[in-house]
Amino acid sequence: GESVGLHLPTLSVQEGDNSIINCAYSNSASDYFIWYKQESGKGPQFIIDIRSNMDKRQGQRVTVLLNKTVKHLSLQIAATQPGDSAVYFCAENRVGSQGNLIFGKGTKLSVKP
Amino acid sequence: DAGITQSPRHKVTETGTPVTLRCHQTENHRYMYWYRQDPGHGLRLIHYSYGVKDTDKGEVSDGYSVSRSKTEDFLLTLESATSSQTSVYFCAISQGQGLGQPQHFGDGTRLSIL
Repeated sequence: GESVGLHLPTLSVQEGDNSIINCAYSNSASDYFIWYKQESGKGPQFIIDIRSNMDKRQGQRVTVLLNKTVKHLSLQIAATQPGDSAVYFCAENRVGSQGNLIFGKGTKLSVKP
Repeated sequence: DAGITQSPRHKVTETGTPVTLRCHQTENHRYMYWYRQDPGHGLRLIHYSYGVKDTDKGEVSDGYSVSRSKTEDFLLTLESATSSQTSVYFCAISQGQGLGQPQHFGDGTRLSIL
């Protein structure tokens, strides 16, 4: 079935390096994508979003890239810090889903000091 | 975070008992959602509300009911809890749906059904 998925369930990076978290989606009708960060014992925290008519969007230390040709979404974190250690989820809004999001299963990012 | 309070934060109860979880928001957002989060499944939508007394089912609504009598409160009820409903439950709110209106989440309720 169609789903939002992630290439890697875990990612370990050195403090100060850049991190790239990937997400594949299969529904070409999706028009809006969101990245969330979830720390242990807490709810998902909104990081950044992007509309399907955009290829790239930047926030503070984060960049989201959208490649509609291959249905791929990525989150880049610059100068990764220990506080970035968390599980990261992508979510998509499918046209016709009444605005309800479909979430991926998450990638765990571990930052080594 | 985003003016969302979930209560209780933790609950242990027995199979067959009724359970009600509460989500309270101070943002005056129109939309409210209940999700469950289980290992290997990610977040799955149970029910959502698009206004006072207006609710609809999500992906995994069986065994759950909801009510929204006020803008700020959204209640999730398990009429007769089962062990398969052991999970972490998250409430979320949004001003609208879709483009540029992300959902914001509470910190969850950990529910164990013995």
